[in-house]
Amino acid sequence: GAVVSQHPSRVICKSGTSVKIECRSLDFQATTMFWYRQFPKQSLMLMATSNEGSKATYEQGVEKDKFLINHASLTLSTLTVTSAHPEDSSFYICSAREGGSSYNEQFFGPGTRLTVL
Amino acid sequence: QQQVKQSPQSLIVQKGGISIINCAYENTAFDYFPWYQQFPGKGPALLIAIRPDVSEKKEGRFTISFNKSAKQFSLHIMDSQPGDSATYFCAASRVNRDDKIIFGKGTRLHILP
Repeated sequence: GAVVSQHPSRVICKSGTSVKIECRSLDFQATTMFWYRQFPKQSLMLMATSNEGSKATYEQGVEKDKFLINHASLTLSTLTVTSAHPEDSSFYICSAREGGSSYNEQFFGPGTRLTVL
Repeated sequence: QQQVKQSPQSLIVQKGGISIINCAYENTAFDYFPWYQQFPGKGPALLIAIRPDVSEKKEGRFTISFNKSAKQFSLHIMDSQPGDSATYFCAASRVNRDDKIIFGKGTRLHILP
């Protein structure tokens, strides 16, 4: 199956700093990328959906100025957590889909564990 | 409002037994129902998926049963193995609409060796 990578896999930062997480589709072009966050022993919560070359669509309750998403190419999307605080500590997972239909499988990345001290 | 309800929250099954996880949905507009498997510290991976025009789909030891009138679907894992120990999420989405996948809360499955 298609491969989606995330970098870094783990990051620890101080409160108030910004952290950038990269999501890459390695062997296909991702028309759409999704960003999720997952707290321990909980389900995945969609944060935003991004299409290449356009602004991301954020879910209700997700601060767009805090979680900056850039989908600059068909193989790369980035999530920047600005002015991170301990409550932002979570497991961030991206997924990528080739094509515009939900029947096209979403391939998930391995996740990035963010710890804010 | 929880659109996809999943049960049980956790499940322990003996090796070789059948693991059954149930899900129910409310929105009749959903028309794609995937199941995901997630190991600790990893991203989820698609296990098997079904569309509402069929009542059952089988792939190896994994079977989805779908009851459209009851708005319920379930995952059956036959001959469960310790390597199947993971968290399983059912999900639903609307094709050609907002395309968002709505996840259930997950079931932590543990297979006893």
